[in-house]
Amino acid sequence: AQSVSQHNHHVILSEAASLELGCNYSYGGTVNLFWYVQYPGQHLQLLLKYFSGDPLVKGIKGFEAEFIKSKFSFNLRKPSVQWSDTAEYFCAVNAGSGTYKYIFGTGTRLKVLA
Amino acid sequence: DTGVSQNPRHKITKRGQNVTFRCDPISEHNRLYWYRQTLGQGPEFLTYFQNEAQLEKSRLLSDRFSAERPKGSFSTLEIQRTEQGDSAMYLCASSLAGQGSTEAFFGQGTRLTVV
Repeated sequence: AQSVSQHNHHVILSEAASLELGCNYSYGGTVNLFWYVQYPGQHLQLLLKYFSGDPLVKGIKGFEAEFIKSKFSFNLRKPSVQWSDTAEYFCAVNAGSGTYKYIFGTGTRLKVLA
Repeated sequence: DTGVSQNPRHKITKRGQNVTFRCDPISEHNRLYWYRQTLGQGPEFLTYFQNEAQLEKSRLLSDRFSAERPKGSFSTLEIQRTEQGDSAMYLCASSLAGQGSTEAFFGQGTRLTVV
C-alpha cells in the first residue's frame, strides 16, 4: 500500500532562515508528487507538483522541491522563510495510474518567528 | 467564487443522528474526492468518483457512510447513526482527469462535531 512519511512534525524557525521539510513515500511505480499548504483558517492549497521531467520543481512563494527517485523522497525547500510562511505543510502522492487517490502525509506545522 | 464549495461549513449533531454534507466541485472537473481530517493528521482518503461512478472506497468507510454523485456534478456524503469518533473535518476535492494527472483542488471543509 502507498504511504507518505513526513518526519518533521513541528518546525520553528526565525525569519530569513532556510527551510527543508522531508517527505518520503513508499510506492514502486510511477508517482505524481505534491506539496500542499494550509494557512491558518484556510483550505489546502497547492504549493507545487511533480509529474515528470526536471526533478527540481519550483512552486509559488519561492518554494521548491527535489524528487530523488532512488531515495523515494520529495523534500520541500525555501532559502529564506518569512513570517507569512507560518502554516501546515502536507506532502501527497498520487499513483498516476490504476488508482487516482491522493495519499497524504501527517503534515509539518511550521512556525516562523518574526 | 469558482472553487470547490462545501456545505454546511459546520455541523453539530447528537450521537445517533444522521448527517449529510454536500460538495460542489469545480464545474469542469470529473473527479471528486472525499477526505476526513482530524487534528494533527493529514487528510485521510475516504472515497472518490469519476463522473457518477464511485471508483474506490477506503476501508475506513464503514457501512454507516455513503457517498453519491448522482449526475456527475455535486456529491453528498451521508453518515448514519453518528458516533463521537466521527467528529472531524470532512474535505471535498476535485480534479480533472486527462493526460497524466492534475492536482486536486480542495474546499473549505465541513467540520462535524458529534456530541
